[in-house]
Amino acid sequence: DAKTTQPPSMDCAEGRAANLPCNHSTISGNEYVYWYRQIHSQGPQYIIHGLKNNETNEMASLIITEDRKSSTLILPHATLRDTAVYYCIAGRANAGKSTFGDGTTLTVKP
Amino acid sequence: GAVVSQHPSWVICKSGTSVKIECRSLDFQATTMFWYRQFPKQSLMLMATSNEGSKATYEQGVEKDKFLINHASLTLSTLTVTSAHPEDSSFYICSADLGTGSKGEQFFGPGTRLTVL
Repeated sequence: DAKTTQPPSMDCAEGRAANLPCNHSTISGNEYVYWYRQIHSQGPQYIIHGLKNNETNEMASLIITEDRKSSTLILPHATLRDTAVYYCIAGRANAGKSTFGDGTTLTVKP
Repeated sequence: GAVVSQHPSWVICKSGTSVKIECRSLDFQATTMFWYRQFPKQSLMLMATSNEGSKATYEQGVEKDKFLINHASLTLSTLTVTSAHPEDSSFYICSADLGTGSKGEQFFGPGTRLTVL
């Protein structure tokens, strides 16, 4: 897996968009960007993944820069329940296992 | 879809005893599952890759004789912590992907908290 760098913590006001950055400057052409989150004392939850194009699902949007060296996870309307540690991982689709970094602790405040 | 369960959700045991943790894929078949360990305030660390019908692959530094993994069916992998000691107290999490046709996204179980007294 390519190394990823994320800010250790971020705050966001409830109802506002949360934009979580991830740097993966050494990502290779066949590596995807995956995002997961872990709410306290639970197993991680898959959020979204992408290769080159921007992606959107019911949980979030993923914006990948054209050079693929960084990406941003966007939670459009953050709620208190979105408070969690968010992990960005870059890896091959057939690699299976995931290498977790320290992630970003997002705190959504009322 | 893509639900992974774990049992038990928490367990307390005495030092020297063995503990078995089950990981099940409820609505899909998983030829490969992964076991992670997470200590307080730390990130997840991959312990081993569990392969259905064959031996598990352990990460460097993980004792295969202490952490026994069995993947006897396409929906069940078990992790047995043998002769548990207090330093084995941790949060154990399994995951699986959807295999061929997926893009590698992992689906995780809810975790098992092990406390060794």
